[in-house]
Amino acid sequence: GAVVSQHPSRVICKSGTSVKIECRSLDFQATTMFWYRQFPKQSLMLMATSNEGSKATYEQGVEKDKFLINHASLTLSTLTVTSAHPEDSSFYICSARGWGSDRADTQYFGPGTRLTVL
Amino acid sequence: SQQGEEDPQALSIQEGENATMNCSYKTSINNLQWYRQNSGRGLVHLILIRSNEREKHSGRLRVTLDTSKKSSSLLITASRAADTASYFCATDASGGFKTIFGAGTRLFVKA
Repeated sequence: GAVVSQHPSRVICKSGTSVKIECRSLDFQATTMFWYRQFPKQSLMLMATSNEGSKATYEQGVEKDKFLINHASLTLSTLTVTSAHPEDSSFYICSARGWGSDRADTQYFGPGTRLTVL
Repeated sequence: SQQGEEDPQALSIQEGENATMNCSYKTSINNLQWYRQNSGRGLVHLILIRSNEREKHSGRLRVTLDTSKKSSSLLITASRAADTASYFCATDASGGFKTIFGAGTRLFVKA
C-alpha cells in the first residue's frame, strides 16, 4: 500500500521555539495533504487541508499564523508550529490523498509526530 | 467530535467474543472508513464502504452502513488480544474533500 512518512517522529522543545514537521508521500503524488492533531485519549481533529501550490485551508479555531503549512511539492507538506507553548504539546498526524485511481478515495496516514513543549 | 459520535466509548470483552462498535455522523457522505490506532501510534486503515454500499467484509471485520440513519457499525468476530486498540470511523462528506473523524471506541480484549 501507499506509504506516508513523517519526520521527526518525536520532538521535545523549549517554550517559544518553532518546530517544523515534514510529511512525505513516498510512492505516490499527493495533491492534497491533511494535518490533524490528537490529544491523549481523544480523536483526531482536522487542523487544515494543504493543497500543492496554494494556501492551506484552516479549520475553524485553528490559528494560521501559529500553524504554518507549506505544500511545496506533490510529495511534501510541512507544518511549522511557531512559538510553541506547552498547550501545543500533542500528537500531530498528516495524511495524503492520492491523485487518480483508488488512491483518491482513501487517505494514507503518516505515523505521527509527538511534540512535547517544555 | 467534528463529525459525529461513536459508541460505546469503551468496550471490554473476552478473547473469542465478538465486538461491535457503532458510529453516527451528521452530513451526507461519499464514503465511510474505519481505522485502528494502537496506543500512541499511527492509524491503520481497516475498511472503506461507499455510500451506495450497505455491507462489506474483510477477514474478521464486517462493516454495515445505513445512510438513512447516518450510522455505521464495525463488527470484529472472534476477537483476539491483539485487537486491543482504539477504533475510529471517518467520513468523507459529499461535495467535500476532507475526512472527519468520530470520537472513537477504545476496545480492550482480555486474554
